[in-house]
Amino acid sequence: GENVEQHPSTLSVQEGDSAVIKCTYSDSASNYFPWYKQELGKRPQLIIDIRSNVGEKKDQRIAVTLNKTAKHFSLHITETQPEDSAVYFCAARLKAAGNKLTFGGGTRVLVKP
Amino acid sequence: GAVVSQHPSWVICKSGTSVKIECRSLDFQATTMFWYRQFPKQSLMLMATSNEGSKATYEQGVEKDKFLINHASLTLSTLTVTSAHPEDSSFYICSARDMGDGANVLTFGAGSRLTVL
Repeated sequence: GENVEQHPSTLSVQEGDSAVIKCTYSDSASNYFPWYKQELGKRPQLIIDIRSNVGEKKDQRIAVTLNKTAKHFSLHITETQPEDSAVYFCAARLKAAGNKLTFGGGTRVLVKP
Repeated sequence: GAVVSQHPSWVICKSGTSVKIECRSLDFQATTMFWYRQFPKQSLMLMATSNEGSKATYEQGVEKDKFLINHASLTLSTLTVTSAHPEDSSFYICSARDMGDGANVLTFGAGSRLTVL
């Protein structure tokens, strides 16, 4: 099955700086890669996603890049704000596995004012 | 956008009792729903895939007799934790995908925090 590794597990940045979270996946047939933000005790919320036919996608301060050859994808948050503090999860979906999402271990991001 | 409702949001029960958690897609139909378990400060672990009108598909290591899943309609899936024990205490989250919107995006419920005494 699919295996997703996520790094770092914790990330502390100064407000205004950029944050980068990296994920690798094992199955080259995975074709969809969403990123979720989860605040304490709440549901994961989709913040951005990318499909395997695209190399980069941007939405305001958030961008995701995908390198299919290397089987890794990254989340970039620019001009970080305190409200960006949360746990972020990457995931990969393998169509052949019934469209199940496999999640990375999560990254706890703390933006210091 | 798609909304998934999960109930109850938290439940406390005695060891040995059973607890049912409901997951509803409010404004769309979902032939497939997913049940996850999340321990404190850990990732989401897929427990099973709930299939409308047929048996659920369980992930390796998940006891199907322990975690009963029923998906009787296109908008409702239930997870029943049978004979609950303290080690079953966890945050259970369901998710569903609106197959009709073309985007195939997964939407999560708010989660149910189970505490077994």
